[in-house]
Amino acid sequence: EAGVAQSPRYKIIEKRQSVAFWCNPISGHATLYWYQQILGQGPKLLIQFQNNGVVDDSQLPKDRFSAERLKGVDSTLKIQPAKLEDSAVYLCASSLDRMSFGGRGYVGADTQYFGPGTRLTVL
Amino acid sequence: GIQVEQSPPDLILQEGANSTLRCNFSDSVNNLQWFHQNPWGQLINLFYIPSGTKQNGRLSATTVATERYSLLYISSSQTTDSGVYFCAVEREPGNTGKLIFGQGTTLQVKP
Repeated sequence: EAGVAQSPRYKIIEKRQSVAFWCNPISGHATLYWYQQILGQGPKLLIQFQNNGVVDDSQLPKDRFSAERLKGVDSTLKIQPAKLEDSAVYLCASSLDRMSFGGRGYVGADTQYFGPGTRLTVL
Repeated sequence: GIQVEQSPPDLILQEGANSTLRCNFSDSVNNLQWFHQNPWGQLINLFYIPSGTKQNGRLSATTVATERYSLLYISSSQTTDSGVYFCAVEREPGNTGKLIFGQGTTLQVKP
């Protein structure tokens, strides 16, 4: 089974430029997550999709960050314009849709599987 | 929001030694996962363990939900166990899968 795919793996841009990251989740996984991981910290959730709908984007800086999952499969995260503090690893994860299995009846349906991440450096 | 604290923050072991990593959380949870982030940055899911005990080879985990902590045991450590171990939780009565991560324990296993 193929894992979560992300591209690019590395990106270096100057502040005020724009950048986009792409994620393809594990086949059949309805839930997709984007995380930001700053060096020395744990990942922080930016946005969560259930199929092509947003479940949680409370920590997404909406003035500069946007994300979409138009067909309920792959997703794009964009930053425009980038700031120095956006330098981080951007991780994509996916999980099965627990609701498809009658709520919490399927133990582990929300186990999250992560992609390799995109390391962004903003100069 | 829920607080997740991991200890110790750093750990250095000699190959073959055993270790215990701890995760304390401040509220009731319905989802707890342990992850290993290898030196190349890849996060690997080790356990989905909101309660009870599980074992997978040299690794095992126990979550005592009523006392709000989880433990990850590593036995006969190997250099490939090096990296950062994260505990992540979803607060009750959440039903979205949203995880809050701790700050991690950085483990270095020396040959």
